[in-house]
Amino acid sequence: RKEVEQDPGPFNVPEGATVAFNCTYSNSASQSFFWYRQDCRKEPKLLMSVYSSGNEDGRFTAQLNRASQYISLLIRDSKLSDSATYLCVVNDNQAGTALIFGKGTTLSVSS
Amino acid sequence: EPEVTQTPSHQVTQMGQEVILRCVPISNHLYFYWYRQILGQKVEFLVSFYNNEISEKSEIFDDQFSVERPDGSNFTLKIRSTKLEDSAMYFCARLRLGFTDTQYFGPGTRLTVL
Repeated sequence: RKEVEQDPGPFNVPEGATVAFNCTYSNSASQSFFWYRQDCRKEPKLLMSVYSSGNEDGRFTAQLNRASQYISLLIRDSKLSDSATYLCVVNDNQAGTALIFGKGTTLSVSS
Repeated sequence: EPEVTQTPSHQVTQMGQEVILRCVPISNHLYFYWYRQILGQKVEFLVSFYNNEISEKSEIFDDQFSVERPDGSNFTLKIRSTKLEDSAMYFCARLRLGFTDTQYFGPGTRLTVL
């Protein structure tokens, strides 16, 4: 059974803090990796894809370690608007295959 | 701008009734998906649909579920005889092909079975 496990959270941090989320996946054949963001009772929205070389998008940095089957997301200089649930997601990268979601880690940023 | 729209936004039904949830792509796409999320649980894959055929389905997608694209545009999920445990958010997604094929989700339909 393919599984994605995430830090249980919740993470409660002040504005400006740096916070890191971790994720592990069970299927070594997984080829595509993502972080999605989900606000309460809304749809998952793509935050960023994750590449083996690591990638950065503004305050967000994602890392992938295929040998350890481990994915991370780092958020620097947290904003109030970053408060959401962050979903770690993987799939086989064959077009049409299912996404496997982690349960998500909740982040609450306070002023 | 949404990748897909979904109707209705909220559906309330009695146990045993049939419901049809609709997904309308903004532009012409070949790959569609249905996922569900029970309150407080993770998002779970139900079925994928490629070129008017089911390409993959999960163990959740049993005989009470069906999908079709009746008019070549709208993409529907039908639940024949709803159970209490079918209460969930149902998300439609479409695939954007690229360096990394990526799925984009619609706003969802909240199904409440009484």
